[in-house]
Amino acid sequence: GEDVEQSLFLSVREGDSSVINCTYTDSSSTYLYWYKQEPGAGLQLLTYIFSNMDMKQDQRLTVLLNKKDKHLSLRIADTQTGDSAIYFCAESRGSNDYKLSFGAGTTVTVRA
Amino acid sequence: DTGVSQNPRHKITKRGQNVTFRCDPISEHNRLYWYRQTLGQGPEFLTYFQNEAQLEKSRLLSDRFSAERPKGSFSTLEIQRTEQGDSAMYLCASSLEGASPLHFGNGTRLTVT
Repeated sequence: GEDVEQSLFLSVREGDSSVINCTYTDSSSTYLYWYKQEPGAGLQLLTYIFSNMDMKQDQRLTVLLNKKDKHLSLRIADTQTGDSAIYFCAESRGSNDYKLSFGAGTTVTVRA
Repeated sequence: DTGVSQNPRHKITKRGQNVTFRCDPISEHNRLYWYRQTLGQGPEFLTYFQNEAQLEKSRLLSDRFSAERPKGSFSTLEIQRTEQGDSAMYLCASSLEGASPLHFGNGTRLTVT
């Protein structure tokens, strides 16, 4: 969606950290999500963050939110070959409007 | 939790034919969403239901598209007089009411020849 932008590709070496960035334009965005999509499959919810938070950690995943700059990032520690996929950033406004607007996705390739 | 189930997984049809897809949401979820995803793009919102009521429709949903959720459980998405531009992955998602994340099915891939 035009309201959410992501870089298209990221190549990372196995064992390194991956950082996927996303910017959004709607200042009323209340909830921000990261989804993972493997080839031929649907979207798997990875994690989400409310706009009143600036960080959330869940095992190898760390989400950072800079609300002032409308910038969201997802860090994957110790990246594995199974992390190769397309990662989508999505936002919703909340306040009874919970449909998601998605970015075009970042294709992450993990090389040995 | 069996997740969101979509059928069929793949559908190939000839231009001008009608097709219908089915989505079974997670059982306790009362919100159900349909999205369309074309190659290289993120999913785009089509429509959503709260229980059996269709509360919002995107301008992407032309009059050839109709969605129903008659008993507030499963939903169907019908496309009449299919066109080649309808070729895409059609994704269904469900959620609880309120600020609850959406859970997606594996989608139905439609190819119109």
